[in-house]
Amino acid sequence: DIQMTQSPSSLSASVGDRVTITCRASQSISRFLNWYQQKPGKAPKLLIYDASNLQTGVPSRFSGSGSGTDFTLTISSLQPLDFATYYCQQSYSTPYTFGQGTKLEIK
Amino acid sequence: DVQLVESGGDLVRPRGSLRLSCAASGFTLSSDAMSWVRQAPGKGLEWVSGFSGSGGATFYADSVKGRFTISRDNSKNTLYLQMNSLRAEDTAVYYCAKHRTRSGLSCFDYWGQGTLVTVSS
Repeated sequence: DIQMTQSPSSLSASVGDRVTITCRASQSISRFLNWYQQKPGKAPKLLIYDASNLQTGVPSRFSGSGSGTDFTLTISSLQPLDFATYYCQQSYSTPYTFGQGTKLEIK
Repeated sequence: DVQLVESGGDLVRPRGSLRLSCAASGFTLSSDAMSWVRQAPGKGLEWVSGFSGSGGATFYADSVKGRFTISRDNSKNTLYLQMNSLRAEDTAVYYCAKHRTRSGLSCFDYWGQGTLVTVSS
């Protein structure tokens, strides 16, 4: 199975900050990497697919990059609605695996 | 609009069985790849099982292989997850999710609201 490791596990930041979350795969997954945002009690929401493609309706302050084993999610200017937990997920092969999550909290 | 609505979650005793349903609308379920993803209380996301849209191949996580069965009723546009021999560690919110591409090797672009399965005596 492909292991996905996110860092950091938690992060405190302020509105307006630029934030970067990283995700590392245990083997190359090309660009089959996706990012989700989840708020308490809600289903995950797709933000970025195939490493860098912004899902329709997602604000442009979210961006993704990377290929192979190393990927990043960047939020250019944090907004109050962005405080949530973020997960990366590989869709290169089954079993599809997720990172452990990064909880983004208000400083 | 695409909508996924899960149902069937309940409190069940260890070694018991349960069938979850996911009613789809806004697209033809038989043509698209679908998966079940679960989330134990306070934990992260875990993919459980999936159906490819082309050919209908099925896939399972090792943790549920031999105990869970994914299926679909095309006439009802509904996805199912039959769960047998349930264990305490199967306690979770179960989401059905649609893949962006028919092959299934893609992100989950739509999710249901989830249904809670609790396994406890």
